[in-house]
Amino acid sequence: AQTVTQSQPEMSVQEAETVTLSCTYDTSESDYYLFWYKQPPSRQMILVIRQEAYKQQNATENRFSVNFQKAAKSFSLKISDSQLGDAAMYFCAYRIGGGADGLTFGKGTHLIIQP
Amino acid sequence: EPEVTQTPSHQVTQMGQEVILRCVPISNHLYFYWYRQILGQKVEFLVSFYNNEISEKSEIFDDQFSVERPDGSNFTLKIRSTKLEDSAMYFCASSFLRATDTQYFGPGTRLTVL
Repeated sequence: AQTVTQSQPEMSVQEAETVTLSCTYDTSESDYYLFWYKQPPSRQMILVIRQEAYKQQNATENRFSVNFQKAAKSFSLKISDSQLGDAAMYFCAYRIGGGADGLTFGKGTHLIIQP
Repeated sequence: EPEVTQTPSHQVTQMGQEVILRCVPISNHLYFYWYRQILGQKVEFLVSFYNNEISEKSEIFDDQFSVERPDGSNFTLKIRSTKLEDSAMYFCASSFLRATDTQYFGPGTRLTVL
C-alpha cells in the first residue's frame, strides 16, 4: 500500500521569508501524481500545486514550487515570500496514474506565519 | 470560477439515524469522490463514482454507506445508521478525467453524531 509521510506536524515562518514543507512517499509504481493541498481554517481543501512523476521539471505556481526527487521519493513544497494568508494546514497527497482513484494523504503540516 | 458545493455545512444527528450529505460537483466533471477527515487526522478516501456506478471504494466504505447521483447535478452520500465514530468532516470532490486529472474539493460538511 502507498503511504505518504509528512514529518513536520508544525512549522513557523516569518512573513516574507521562505519555508519548505517536507513530504516523502512510498510506492512501487512508476506512474503517479503528487499534490499539495492547502486547508485554511475554513476547512476547504484547495489545490496548491501538482506534479506528474514522469516530468523531471519541478512544478511551480507563483510563490509555490516543489522539489521533486523521484529516486528519493521526496516531494517538498517551498513557499517564497510567505504571506499571512498562507497560514493553513498543508497536505501532501499521492495518486496512482491510470487506475486507482483515491488520493492518499499525509497527516499534514500546520504552517504558522509570524507577522 | 466553477466550484464544488456541499450542503449542509454542518449536520447534527442522533446515533442510529440516517443522514444524507449532498454535493453539487463542477458541471462538466465526470468523476465524483467522497472523503472524510476525522478531527485531527488525515483525509481518507471513501469512494469514487463514475457513469452512475461505484468505481472504487476503500475499506472504510462498508454497507452502511451508499452513494447516488439522483439527478444531473447532485451527488449524495448516505450513511444508513450513524455511529459516534462517523463524526467527521466529509468532503466531496470532482474531476473531469480520472487518472490524470486534479480533484477539486468542496468546502465540506461537518457531521456530528450524538
